[in-house]
Amino acid sequence: QVTLKESGPALVKPTQTLTLTCTFSGFSLSTSGIYVGWIRQPPGKALEWLARIDWDDDKFYSTSLKTRLTVSKDTSKNQVVLTMTNMDPVDTATYYCARAELGLEAFDIWGQGTMVTVSS
Amino acid sequence: DIVMTQTPLSLSVTPGQPASISCKSSQSLLHRDERTYLYWYLQKPGQSPQLLIYEVSNRFSGVPDRFSGSGSGTDFTLKISRVEAEDVGVYYCMQSIQLPLTFGGGTKVEIK
Repeated sequence: QVTLKESGPALVKPTQTLTLTCTFSGFSLSTSGIYVGWIRQPPGKALEWLARIDWDDDKFYSTSLKTRLTVSKDTSKNQVVLTMTNMDPVDTATYYCARAELGLEAFDIWGQGTMVTVSS
Repeated sequence: DIVMTQTPLSLSVTPGQPASISCKSSQSLLHRDERTYLYWYLQKPGQSPQLLIYEVSNRFSGVPDRFSGSGSGTDFTLKISRVEAEDVGVYYCMQSIQLPLTFGGGTKVEIK
C-alpha cells in the first residue's frame, strides 16, 4: 500500500524558512520513473504545484517560486524534503506531497496534507 | 505557464441528474507523442485530491463509470451522468504536458 505523509511546523514567522518532510512507504524513489511532487492550497483556494524531484535526482520548480524553493530526497529514509525561504503570510496554505510516475504523468497518491500558517 | 480555466465556478445538482464541467487550456495539451495530458481530480470536503480521469478520458482505478471525460486540444469536459451525494466537492482539471504543472481554479459541486 502506497502512503505519503507530510510533517513540519504548523506555524512559522514571516521571513523564516519553512522545512517540510514527506515520508512515504510502499514505493521507492530509486525506482526508475517515479517522482514526488509538492502542491499547496491556500484556504478556500485552488491547488498550486510547487516542485518535483525525480528518481534520478532531477528537480523542477514553480516558475514564480523557484528562487525560494529547494527540494531534496533521502532514498534510504524514504523521505523528500521541501524548503521554502522568506515565508510570507500569503504562503499560508495546506502543503501536500504526492507520488507520480512517468507514463501516468499525474499524481495518483497524495498525502493528507499539512497546514502551515505564516504569522508573527 | 499554461493557464487552465474552468467553468462554472459552482454547480448545484439534484441527485440523479447529470452535471458537466468545462476546462480550457491556453495551449494545446496534445503532445507530439499523440497523448493529451489533461487530468481531472476531485477534492472531497476535508480530503486530499483524488485522481478521477487521466489523459482526457481514461477513468483511474476504482472510479465509477458515471464519470466520463472528453475533449481535445484546448477544450475539455468532465461529465457525471447521474450525480450522487458522494460526488460533492471541488473538481480540478490539471495539465502535465509542460512544467510547471498547472491546475484550473476549481468547480464546486453541491447537491440540491
